[in-house]
Amino acid sequence: KQEVTQIPAALSVPEGENLVLNCSFTDSAIYNLQWFRQDPGKGLTSLLLIQSSQREQTSGRLNASLDKSSGRSTLYIAASQPGDSATYLCAVPYSGAGSYQLTFGKGTKLSVIP
Amino acid sequence: NAGVTQTPKFQVLKTGQSMTLQCAQDMNHEYMSWYRQDPGMGLRLIHYSVGAGITDQGEVPNGYNVSRSTTEDFPLRLLSAAPSQTSVYFCASSHRESNQPQHFGDGTRLSIL
Repeated sequence: KQEVTQIPAALSVPEGENLVLNCSFTDSAIYNLQWFRQDPGKGLTSLLLIQSSQREQTSGRLNASLDKSSGRSTLYIAASQPGDSATYLCAVPYSGAGSYQLTFGKGTKLSVIP
Repeated sequence: NAGVTQTPKFQVLKTGQSMTLQCAQDMNHEYMSWYRQDPGMGLRLIHYSVGAGITDQGEVPNGYNVSRSTTEDFPLRLLSAAPSQTSVYFCASSHRESNQPQHFGDGTRLSIL
């Protein structure tokens, strides 16, 4: 059974700092890995999707890397802003399932202090 | 674009009542799914569908029914509500290819008294 762990559970940083969020998964036979953002009381917004053949993806100040062999992914946020405050979730497909049946980590709650 | 639309946004039910949570998407996505999100448990897959007329169970299907008569709609039915079903419910959709991200609705916050 696929299990996803995110460390730390919460993180507080001053504005402008670069930061890294971590995600680990137990079954490396995955189609892809997705990073999502969730604002309080809202749904999930997809930030980055890394396919199994890729090592990283970038979008603006966000960079996500994937190391399938070690079962790890990181989300790097450059020059953090108060607007980045949210919960960040990573998700991978269920073991042996299609790419769209997702197992989620419990998230990292990020607070960026002005 | 509306994306994924969930209704209602909030609902309070009494134990034993039934109700249907609605989900509609306008992106012609083949795949749709329902998750529940509980404190300390994260999101868990309830049911999913890979196309009209095809549904299957996820990790926590007990107490819920689904059907997929059209590509656009994927309602979730609670047959006899229980307090353990108090949760936030999210509907998601995507194309079937592995390079396509999931799109989520804003959720339905459901309380069972």
